[in-house]
Amino acid sequence: EPEVTQTPSHQVTQMGQEVILRCVPISNHLYFYWYRQILGQKVEFLVSFYNNEISEKSEIFDDQFSVERPDGSNFTLKIRSTKLEDSAMYFCASTAGVAGAATDTQYFGPGTRLTVL
Amino acid sequence: AQSVTQLGSHVSVSEGALVLLRCNYSSSVPPYLFWYVQYPNQGLQLLLKYTTGATLVKGINGFEAEFKKSETSFHLTKPSAHMSDAAEYFCAVTPSWGGNQFYFGTGTSLTVIP
Repeated sequence: EPEVTQTPSHQVTQMGQEVILRCVPISNHLYFYWYRQILGQKVEFLVSFYNNEISEKSEIFDDQFSVERPDGSNFTLKIRSTKLEDSAMYFCASTAGVAGAATDTQYFGPGTRLTVL
Repeated sequence: AQSVTQLGSHVSVSEGALVLLRCNYSSSVPPYLFWYVQYPNQGLQLLLKYTTGATLVKGINGFEAEFKKSETSFHLTKPSAHMSDAAEYFCAVTPSWGGNQFYFGTGTSLTVIP
């Protein structure tokens, strides 16, 4: 069965450094998402992406964050200058159709654990 | 604003016993409702969802959930727990009037005792 993959599984970085989290959505999917989960807290929506542009973003997704689909397969989340509070598990997800996650099933990756020291 | 409350961060049941995981939402208009399961070192997997129609929805692995508008609830049940059900369960909502922003609960960790 096709699956969403994420690399790396664990990323450790120093505060102030830039990090890029990578995701490979399911190949024929059209809508892509990033979520994060700070340890012990809720899974939080960050951003959705469709047709090479941001569709929706939450208030968490400030100027420090950016997303990109650099080629036909990867979907990346960049954090420009990491802060301690960016330490979290980051999940990528994708859906097949243009209707989005409310109607189409979201498929999640296993997550990348980001630790900012 | 949407919010989701999952009562009980940890639930333990004996193998073969009823599983009941609680979820309540806060929204003036009933949203679309979802339950996801996360096994160790894996991504979230959709168990079931309610959008419209029959309020009792059946999902994978024998789970079901009932949307009760009067109680603003969407509790997840399974008649007989299996060891393989041990996982983290997340309730989530998204607005029924449009948009793709999901709001998740804090999750409930289910332990199944042999």
